[in-house]
Amino acid sequence: DTGVSQNPRHKITKRGQNVTFRCDPISEHNRLYWYRQTLGQGPEFLTYFQNEAQLEKSRLLSDRFSAERPKGSFSTLEIQRTEQGDSAMYLCASSLAQGVSEQYFGPGTRLTVT
Amino acid sequence: AQKVTQAQTEISVVEKEDVTLDCVYETRDTTYYLFWYKQPPSGELVFLIRRNSFDEQNEISGRYSWNFQKSTSSFNFTITASQVVDSAVYFCALNRASGGSYIPTFGRGTSLIVHP
Repeated sequence: DTGVSQNPRHKITKRGQNVTFRCDPISEHNRLYWYRQTLGQGPEFLTYFQNEAQLEKSRLLSDRFSAERPKGSFSTLEIQRTEQGDSAMYLCASSLAQGVSEQYFGPGTRLTVT
Repeated sequence: AQKVTQAQTEISVVEKEDVTLDCVYETRDTTYYLFWYKQPPSGELVFLIRRNSFDEQNEISGRYSWNFQKSTSSFNFTITASQVVDSAVYFCALNRASGGSYIPTFGRGTSLIVHP
């Protein structure tokens, strides 16, 4: 069990550029979640997959954000036309698909938009 | 709507002191789950405990203990004989137990600083 991994760990980009983050969940976990965390705040839910199906999306997820989980394994989160307000830590978590399970988090990708 | 309030933004203690982190929640659901997570300076949230609303027994795990009081909608976390390694941000979270929603609502976190 290697835990949840995320790449890259840090990303600095200029406003208007597109960025893509990757998350590899724990292998036997069917559920995968994306969160955004800003300084002094708890994680804010963005979207959630069960296997390859995207089951829930937050209103925080504007049309510039898109997430995929092809084949129900790794997931990618893309932000198009980045804005300075997108600067945050993007967290990925995974869990078993057994009722309300605890989530296991990755180390996050810190995005800085200049 | 669900809400989790962690009123203590930051707590500073000296090693070996006991410390309690408060968590108050609001929900209209009769069944729900409560969680605590730890986020050390490295940044990765670590699961500590999950509690079902039906189970009001307090729990102890080593130096950690949790006090669940449904009557006051609180789920407080106590660290006994704190250590420097306990320094982290601690998050309380609430999740509905029904309706097929597996998305927790997190509090804003309490930053615990343990001085040697």
